Amino acid sequence: QVQLVQSGAEVKEPGASVKVSCKASGYTFISYVIHWVRQAPGQRLEWMAWINAGNGNTKYSQKLQGRVTITRDTSASTAYMELSSLRSEDTAVYYCARDRNGMVQGTLDYWGQGTLVTVSS
Amino acid sequence: DIVMTQSPDSLAVSLGERATINCKSSQSVLYSSNNKNYLAWYQQKPGQPPKLLIYWASTRESGVPDRFSGSGSGTDFTLTISSLQAEDVAVYYCQQYYTIPPYTFGQGTKLEIK
Repeated sequence: QVQLVQSGAEVKEPGASVKVSCKASGYTFISYVIHWVRQAPGQRLEWMAWINAGNGNTKYSQKLQGRVTITRDTSASTAYMELSSLRSEDTAVYYCARDRNGMVQGTLDYWGQGTLVTVSS
Repeated sequence: DIVMTQSPDSLAVSLGERATINCKSSQSVLYSSNNKNYLAWYQQKPGQPPKLLIYWASTRESGVPDRFSGSGSGTDFTLTISSLQAEDVAVYYCQQYYTIPPYTFGQGTKLEIK
């Protein structure tokens, strides 16, 4: 069965960076796009970026451009999201999710369990 | 960015009754070349990630009960639960995937049992 398993919760100080992993199983990793979506407390879901796990192409939210980097390791079937220059507003649960279409469409059929990132001094 | 606005923010419905959630986009998400509405609905239960229910505005994802249905076109959409079950208590989100980036979500509608 398809599974996306994310790394554990993180606590970071303002100005630091965080890297969250998303290990895929149960399907051919390189055949799908992986998205990253975050949810701050009491806020709506916010799309951050996607990566084509096959060719490594990426697309980022303009709001986060320059602070977020999405990569993947095909040998480990794992995608990564790194967010730098953290500020308190980045406190959120971060999700990875698979694009159901394989290529970029934007409908997210399988989600990771979420990773809580807390930014606090 | 396309702004997605849901109504109501919260809703209480009796078991077995119909629940209706609305979603309005700030611009049309209907792609004229294929006549598809780039609109999806998700269900999120406490402590869980969102779950895809509906895409193309009205296509149910595999395994989703048929009491869930989506309708609408252009800028106005509706998610209907025909007969509310206890396990349907959740927050529901609409999402447009017409313009990228970014994909945008509604603010969510909290559905409870009356």
